[in-house]
Amino acid sequence: NAGVTQTPKFRVLKTGQSMTLLCAQDMNHEYMYWYRQDPGMGLRLIYYSASEGTTDKGEVPNGYNVSRLKKQNFLLGLESAAPSQTSVYFCASSEAPGSSYEQYFGPGTRLTVT
Amino acid sequence: GQNIDQPTEMTATEGAIVQINCTYQTSGFNGLFWYQQHAGEAPTFLSYNVLDGLEEKGRFSSFLSRSKGYSYLLLKELQMKDSASYLCAVTDSNYQLIWGAGTKLIIKP
Repeated sequence: NAGVTQTPKFRVLKTGQSMTLLCAQDMNHEYMYWYRQDPGMGLRLIYYSASEGTTDKGEVPNGYNVSRLKKQNFLLGLESAAPSQTSVYFCASSEAPGSSYEQYFGPGTRLTVT
Repeated sequence: GQNIDQPTEMTATEGAIVQINCTYQTSGFNGLFWYQQHAGEAPTFLSYNVLDGLEEKGRFSSFLSRSKGYSYLLLKELQMKDSASYLCAVTDSNYQLIWGAGTKLIIKP
């Protein structure tokens, strides 16, 4: 039972390059989330997915795209990376909101855009 | 707007007790979470409060007052391994989690 996994763990991109971050969970959770975490700021939601095949924008979606083709996977894409996207990206999953629906986080991807 | 406030940094002594406060203003309320995050690692769940009062879990307790928009996390018998950031997060009316910036807790021997 691996929980939530993310690949890659580290990446350096040049401005304008593209990449995809992969998140996988084996807890059969309906909900999955992508956050970014920057120094001195709280976690900010980029996109989330309430079920396979559906996605919704969060607080900071500009410059990103997502897809959830399978229930266990949630992909985050950067089409044309910018230095402002240098951050630590966390994926999380949870049961449907209701009672105590804690989010389980992956280990994070540290992305630097030069 | 939605806002979560918590102190940026706190220092405490090993073996002592520390209280980390969190105040919030959100559009609706469906629960408050506390997470622990060690440097370079992912956040991990500590506690959840949806009703007023104190929830105790071992050395950690969390309190909620919905009328005051206030919560605190109480850590007893501090250990060096408790050095971490503590994140307060509130679920709004749309069940979206709004996160505070976190409180970095430094434990000194």
